[in-house]
Amino acid sequence: DAMVIQNPRYQVTQFGKPVTLSCSQTLNHNVMYWYQQKSSQAPKLLFHYYDKDFNNEADTPDNFQSRRPNTSFCFLDIRSPGLGDAAMYLCATSRKTSGDYNEQFFGPGTRLTVL
Amino acid sequence: LAKTTQPISMDSYEGQEVNITCSHNNIATNDYITWYQQFPSQGPRFIIQGYKTKVTNEVASLFIPADRKSSTLSLPRVSLSDTAVYYCLVGPHKAAGNKLTFGGGTRVLVKP
Repeated sequence: DAMVIQNPRYQVTQFGKPVTLSCSQTLNHNVMYWYQQKSSQAPKLLFHYYDKDFNNEADTPDNFQSRRPNTSFCFLDIRSPGLGDAAMYLCATSRKTSGDYNEQFFGPGTRLTVL
Repeated sequence: LAKTTQPISMDSYEGQEVNITCSHNNIATNDYITWYQQFPSQGPRFIIQGYKTKVTNEVASLFIPADRKSSTLSLPRVSLSDTAVYYCLVGPHKAAGNKLTFGGGTRVLVKP
């Protein structure tokens, strides 16, 4: 089945130690998104790629970076994780066309713990 | 993007109909109303979208009055597995990248 895959599902890192979260998709969608969801809060968009064009949200900290080497893969890099970065990180995809609404398909998320 | 207001939580019982109302007083002419469902430890999942009047699919119905300042998601005959957080989102569905701005969401608990 076509899907959005996130690895790992659980990630533990140390304060200040860089960490990379991975997302892959078999949907061949041209838009990929990263969201941060803290406990009992709604998901918050960090950035998205429309093909190779990177779009950062204005309030996304510089500590968060992203890479999309090809259509299928997208990475979230946290350069120096702080305790406040502990959260669920959700990857999503959508197909960007000029037609009808293109729903977003979310992966299961990676839960990041910062020690 | 239009701000949305939903109840924080709702309790229901199996077999009942659950109606969640979302207020979006400053909805724009080109805005659509979209609902996502999120189960614990999973990513959100698209449920339904509408612009005006009523939309129905195999999962839910969406009622939108003529002034479009509110909308109601209706879940018929809920089961325990419908326990989830339901998010109402308002925005132009052709917005760049179809960006989603999630509001607070409504936590629905279905009891036996």
